[in-house]
Amino acid sequence: NAGVTQTPKFQVLKTGQSMTLQCAQDMNHNSMYWYRQDPGMGLRLIYYSASEGTTDKGEVPNGYNVSRLNKREFSLRLESAAPSQTSVYFCASSELRDSYTLEYFGPGTRLTVL
Amino acid sequence: GQQVMQIPQYQHVQEGEDFTTYCNSSTTLSNIQWYKQRPGGHPVFLIQLVKSGEVKKQKRLTFQFGEAKKNSSLHITATQTTDVGTYFCAGHVNQAGTALIFGKGTTLSVSS
Repeated sequence: NAGVTQTPKFQVLKTGQSMTLQCAQDMNHNSMYWYRQDPGMGLRLIYYSASEGTTDKGEVPNGYNVSRLNKREFSLRLESAAPSQTSVYFCASSELRDSYTLEYFGPGTRLTVL
Repeated sequence: GQQVMQIPQYQHVQEGEDFTTYCNSSTTLSNIQWYKQRPGGHPVFLIQLVKSGEVKKQKRLTFQFGEAKKNSSLHITATQTTDVGTYFCAGHVNQAGTALIFGKGTTLSVSS
């Protein structure tokens, strides 16, 4: 099993450009998540999808859109990138353990917006 | 809003010293999880505690969940250079909740 995979690993954009970050998991998990990580800010939830066909906003959704394409794939789109979106983006999926979800993270995408 | 606070934000120790990070929630948690992120890596699940007052051990790591289920701690005995990284606590506010609430993490550095 590859677990959670993310593409690309690195990306540099100019302000105003758009791009889509791809995420896929092969663990048959129902729930998937997108986080951003900035120095001193920890992990902040952008959007999550509790199941195929549903998405919900997290703590910092502004400037982002998501698509749960199928059970395996959950993409994050930046329509008009801004320097404030320079960050490391992690995708995660979760499984149930003792009635609670625990999360498996992908390797991350390091995005710089100039 | 619901918050999970972690202290300290940074800690530097000499190899062989002990280390403790503390996690405090503004509301009662249903569970507490701990994750470790190595430098340049991604968070990796370490352990979950669900019962009030629960204590679990993994080799040199000891995890505790407070009696009121609002705080937790991770203690590392005799740190090694392999312990370097950022440790995050996270929890659910209720069993039906779908998203974890993460603390901001404690970054541990170890010098030999």
